[in-house]
Amino acid sequence: QVQLQESGPGLVKPSETLSLTCTVSGASTSSSYWSWIRQPPGKGLEWIGCIYYSVSTNYNPSLKSRITISIDMSKNQFSLNMSSVTAADTAVYYCARRRGGYDWYFDLWGRGNLVTVSS
Amino acid sequence: QSALTQPASVSGSPGQSITISCTGTSSDVGGYNYVSWYQQHPGKAPKLMIYDVRNRPSGVSNRFSGSKSGNTASLTISGLQAEDEADYYCSSYTSTSTLDVLFGGGTKLTVL
Repeated sequence: QVQLQESGPGLVKPSETLSLTCTVSGASTSSSYWSWIRQPPGKGLEWIGCIYYSVSTNYNPSLKSRITISIDMSKNQFSLNMSSVTAADTAVYYCARRRGGYDWYFDLWGRGNLVTVSS
Repeated sequence: QSALTQPASVSGSPGQSITISCTGTSSDVGGYNYVSWYQQHPGKAPKLMIYDVRNRPSGVSNRFSGSKSGNTASLTISGLQAEDEADYYCSSYTSTSTLDVLFGGGTKLTVL
């Protein structure tokens, strides 16, 4: 059974860097597209970006200047770093799997990690 | 890039059928058969219910069905049950941006 689990701090100060990790079990991060999606409290879903096999990344243009997604296949984990955070970045952050190049849907999701940006 | 357009809320009584619409453009919903639908209960992660317009993942009830006409996709839930009360989001591939996908704003389904 494939599972995804986010981990990271629940509170980040304004202007600092948000760092989250997603641990994948039951599947290899050497295949599929691994994504980050966020949801501000009471609002809808926003795609952040994804990584494929450590050689290809794609980012939301509105966030591109502040985010980096990386992968550690030896640990079966992938990570999100978002710099210069503000209160607008307060959200539940989900990691999710998009299985293949032409599979434009997310079949597996983590439980989510609430990140609050506050001093 | 604008999100896909969904009604904010829909409601129905147990046993009835409801339909949630998702309107985009010819560069996303209308141009490709890559529309998906997600169900989200409060405090839970989204769950894939429909992919590629009308396909159901294994384990999803056949009370859920998807369709598309022009730039509008639809999710129909038949035989409404109390457990169907949740938020529903549509999503689509888009060719006009480096975004992987666009999401709709979400629809709150209330089972009366």
